[in-house]
Amino acid sequence: SYVVTQPSSVSVAPGQTANITCERNNIGRKSVHWYQQKPGQAPVLVVYDDSDRPSGIPERFSASNSGNTATLTISRVEAGDEADYYCQVWDSSSDHVYVFGSGTKVTVL
Amino acid sequence: QVQLQESGPGLVKSSETLSLTCTVSGGSTTSYQWTWIRQPPGKGLEWIGHMYYSGSTYYSPSLKSRVTMSLDTSKNQISLEVKSLTVADTAVYFCARAAYSGYVEFWGRGTLVIVSS
Repeated sequence: SYVVTQPSSVSVAPGQTANITCERNNIGRKSVHWYQQKPGQAPVLVVYDDSDRPSGIPERFSASNSGNTATLTISRVEAGDEADYYCQVWDSSSDHVYVFGSGTKVTVL
Repeated sequence: QVQLQESGPGLVKSSETLSLTCTVSGGSTTSYQWTWIRQPPGKGLEWIGHMYYSGSTYYSPSLKSRVTMSLDTSKNQISLEVKSLTVADTAVYFCARAAYSGYVEFWGRGTLVIVSS
């Protein structure tokens, strides 16, 4: 299946925790990657290979992947975290297809 | 630091062919995956395809019949052609470098392409 489902929006107060889910049958068998995109900008990789952070990404960004759900967690949310977040998997076993989730708009209240 | 810069026409007509070029600086195109991704205004990210230095190329099933990617290592450039354009192809087109395990490490700033009817 090439469909990956994310909630369209998540709202969170500053200092609280935001959880963004990414669902697909047996997604736990694939590596999941997460991107942050602010308006008018290119996406930025915030998590790769399920739970690794690129250099420069705060420890407040963490992620997990198991079963049918991958989750990006943003702890101690700040106003600057307001953005769209996309999960992505790569199906290297068949058509080498990249699949992006539909995206989640995170709003900081 | 690897940098990517897309270039091409900002406006094309329906039924015509779009040609975009991505120039890579700060790194070589003789390794990694080279990827094109697009984003229609106000919508999500859509993978178009990617290719390797070896020439192996993979395209989105929904675009496969209309898309061609190529790599010119002498110029450090990646090219994209999309033929038989429709207004639905209006989008910001990003070129990107991906790691072999399938995540995008570096993105271009993107170029907006508007297809007029």
